[in-house]
Amino acid sequence: EAQVTQNPRYLITVTGKKLTVTCSQNMNHEYMSWYRQDPGLGLRQIYYSMNVEVTDKGDVPEGYKVSRKEKRNFPLILESPSPNQTSLYFCASRGLGSGRAAYEQYFGPGTRLTVT
Amino acid sequence: AQSVTQLGSHVSVSEGALVLLRCNYSSSVPPYLFWYVQYPNQGLQLLLKYTSAATLVKGINGFEAEFKKSETSFHLTKPSAHMSDAAEYFCAVSEGPAAGNKLTFGGGTRVLVKP
Repeated sequence: EAQVTQNPRYLITVTGKKLTVTCSQNMNHEYMSWYRQDPGLGLRQIYYSMNVEVTDKGDVPEGYKVSRKEKRNFPLILESPSPNQTSLYFCASRGLGSGRAAYEQYFGPGTRLTVT
Repeated sequence: AQSVTQLGSHVSVSEGALVLLRCNYSSSVPPYLFWYVQYPNQGLQLLLKYTSAATLVKGINGFEAEFKKSETSFHLTKPSAHMSDAAEYFCAVSEGPAAGNKLTFGGGTRVLVKP
């Protein structure tokens, strides 16, 4: 089954304690991205990656890091989490080929992060 | 730069009534438009998309949306609401390959269906 998986699904942590949220896709997609969802703001892109070792900032990258060492994985790293990073996080992927399929993003189930 | 505005953060409809969710966008190039649905505690699922073909787009679960260039709108409708339609709906715009196919989302509209 084609899917994007994220772990953990729920995480409560304290300010300043480094954490990593993993994301993996099994569709051989080149493009992967991270979003955060906050009430009334919809989803905002944090970082994205066009392929292995190619990453770039989205709209709200401050306080986050990413890496893309393998095509299937795109972890999100919070080196020193703060309470304003409490949010619902989604990983997404899509292909980069031509045609309509290239526009459809597949989303993971989300990770709810609380930073106290 | 592209942006999306969804009018109404919450909409309440009776079961069997029309569902109408409004979406207006701004884009410097012909846009690609999407509606996603998010059921409680789940990720986003694509409902339908407009990618410069027919202006009336049919999606899953009986939803459809019409692209109106003159009004810069892409409103989502369903003739008869079902209890299972209770969810949050997001409109999104992309300016296509030239802009890296980046998706920009609206703030979302939460739909409540009353029996």
